[in-house]
Amino acid sequence: SAVISQKPSRDICQRGTSLTIQCQVDSQVTMMFWYRQQPGQSLTLIATANQGSEATYESGFVIDKFPISRPNLTFSTLTVSNMSPEDSSIYLCSAGLSQETQYFGPGTRLLVL
Amino acid sequence: GENVEQHPSTLSVQEGDSAVIKCTYSDSASNYFPWYKQELGKRPQLIIDIRSNVGEKKDQRIAVTLNKTAKHFSLHITETQPEDSAVYFCAASKPSGTYKYIFGTGTRLKVLA
Repeated sequence: SAVISQKPSRDICQRGTSLTIQCQVDSQVTMMFWYRQQPGQSLTLIATANQGSEATYESGFVIDKFPISRPNLTFSTLTVSNMSPEDSSIYLCSAGLSQETQYFGPGTRLLVL
Repeated sequence: GENVEQHPSTLSVQEGDSAVIKCTYSDSASNYFPWYKQELGKRPQLIIDIRSNVGEKKDQRIAVTLNKTAKHFSLHITETQPEDSAVYFCAASKPSGTYKYIFGTGTRLKVLA
């Protein structure tokens, strides 16, 4: 497995502002993903972070709301833009060390007031 | 699109008993099925996985079985212990280039001492 870290671990933000979440992996990985997990719910894939090109978004998620960067094979950021209370959630990144297997970061707990 | 159903949503067992969680997937092209354990406030941890060329895989007290014809797979935990209490998620992925996961809805397992 790999060591995956996320910053910040939690934040409280005002509506209308934006927050950028960082995900760092201690080794180069092919795939990185961003998920959202509402309290008591399952994990929903937001997008696949592609190195050197635009992220691939899932249905219901758009680049203007969740811009993603992936400048290299160990790092990615997710920005939650123009936040509303409905964006309060846990945001997790994952890294694919092999073609199939994903390991998760510790998550960022976001509360929007 | 791909859908993964997971049952039951909650499961309580006596310590020492067995627990079984079942998932059904819809896309016959799916070929990789991981299971994650998520303790309260923690990241999902990969506990076991199975590929479609295998019918069963075991790791100590944990086993996973796969029925490709029926498109379902199950997690079996034997000799349950209080530390097995957590939420368990199944997932399915297919070789579509990104190996993205579709997660089940989760099962909250309580092991009663």
